[in-house]
Amino acid sequence: QKEVEQNSGPLSVPEGAIASLNCTYSDRGSQSFFWYRQYSGKSPELIMSIYSNGDKEDGRFTAQLNKASQYVSLLIRDSQPSDSATYLCAVRRDGGSQGNLIFGKGTKLSVKP
Amino acid sequence: NAGVMQNPRHLVRRRGQEARLRCSPMKGHSHVYWYRQLPEEGLKFMVYLQKENIIDESGMPKERFSAEFPKEGPSILRIQQVVRGDSAAYFCASSPRTGGAYEQYFGPGTRLTVT
Repeated sequence: QKEVEQNSGPLSVPEGAIASLNCTYSDRGSQSFFWYRQYSGKSPELIMSIYSNGDKEDGRFTAQLNKASQYVSLLIRDSQPSDSATYLCAVRRDGGSQGNLIFGKGTKLSVKP
Repeated sequence: NAGVMQNPRHLVRRRGQEARLRCSPMKGHSHVYWYRQLPEEGLKFMVYLQKENIIDESGMPKERFSAEFPKEGPSILRIQQVVRGDSAAYFCASSPRTGGAYEQYFGPGTRLTVT
């Protein structure tokens, strides 16, 4: 059973639209949640972190967390062609020696001009 | 450059050779994590280190792979007797602490090609 699941996409949205990216996780002990953006051939870049239920907004990005449903999402408002990338959802189970991130395979987003 | 540094950026090795990948964490960060990304696969955790200590190596293959983070100098991921299946992008990330509201920042990665 996969621990972090994402739709692989591609998710295609027109420029200016809202892109909605979803992620589910299986470990109820997960406490910290992250969204990374990865352009082709590049390294992951942290976009958002979220630690408690609800919404967290940062510029055009909003992360949403629902621990009861084991669900994390990322909304990108006013999508731009430069947002075209693969978006990686990552979860972390904190405590003890556990510090590593568990990643989903990513959702490829394409924003069409 | 205050970010995570990795070198070399690209490394080509023939089967049976050794590969050494280096990672210098961000300034002020003492926690280092290595991840591997195989073609068309997700990022997979390999090992978590602090200075002079391996904290968690549960993701590391049991043979041929080792990692260290000495008191002085960068963290090193070492792959002995490389095979074609080791071809991947190897990323290092660092954080100031683990757990809580502490985030991991990634370096540019080392692309290893085994011929």
